[in-house]
Amino acid sequence: KAGVTQTPRYLIKTRGQQVTLSCSPISGHRSVSWYQQTPGQGLQFLFEYFSETQRNKGNFPGRFSGRQFSNSRSEMNVSTLELGDSALYLCASSRSTGDPDEKLFFGSGTQLSVL
Amino acid sequence: AQKITQTQPGMFVQEKEAVTLDCTYDTSDPSYGLFWYKQPSSGEMIFLIYQGSYDQQNATEGRYSLNFQKARKSANLVISASQLGDSAMYFCAMREGSATNKLIFGTGTLLAVQP
Repeated sequence: KAGVTQTPRYLIKTRGQQVTLSCSPISGHRSVSWYQQTPGQGLQFLFEYFSETQRNKGNFPGRFSGRQFSNSRSEMNVSTLELGDSALYLCASSRSTGDPDEKLFFGSGTQLSVL
Repeated sequence: AQKITQTQPGMFVQEKEAVTLDCTYDTSDPSYGLFWYKQPSSGEMIFLIYQGSYDQQNATEGRYSLNFQKARKSANLVISASQLGDSAMYFCAMREGSATNKLIFGTGTLLAVQP
């Protein structure tokens, strides 16, 4: 069974540009959540999707957005990139949302560097 | 507010010995889930073990076990018979409430296994 797939693995962008990251969850999983990991702030929750609906959103500016498609694949977009957006972006998938015993499985992440 | 505390920034252990990584948590929600993940230098976040707040027994997954002490709000990870491949960053995380897959992460413990 394939795991969570994130593309691309690495990205280099310049300030002011926008970027789109992709996440394909494990087959049969309908919940996808996104996290940002930086050396200074650690792992921070961005947003969570289930059945194409955003269920929860972290404390990030509106430049960060996401969506989920009918096949459960998800994308996140960051517009007007800033140097501080340089981070590892991790995607996690699970079968459902809200089940106390539900386990979350992560992908390998997309390393974004903003120059 | 929910919080995860990992007080050990780094630890050394000899190969084949057991090691305990500490994690304490704070929440007022009676329903929660606790996770441990391993993050090697490659960046992927690998699921290790899960403990639900209502689970009566400590969780075990192969060489990993979770020492769950609910009254003390601690969820320490025990790795038995350490291997060189166990060298990585280890994160403790908590699911916030029961209607979301949002995880709150600790700051992590860097484990180095010495031959």
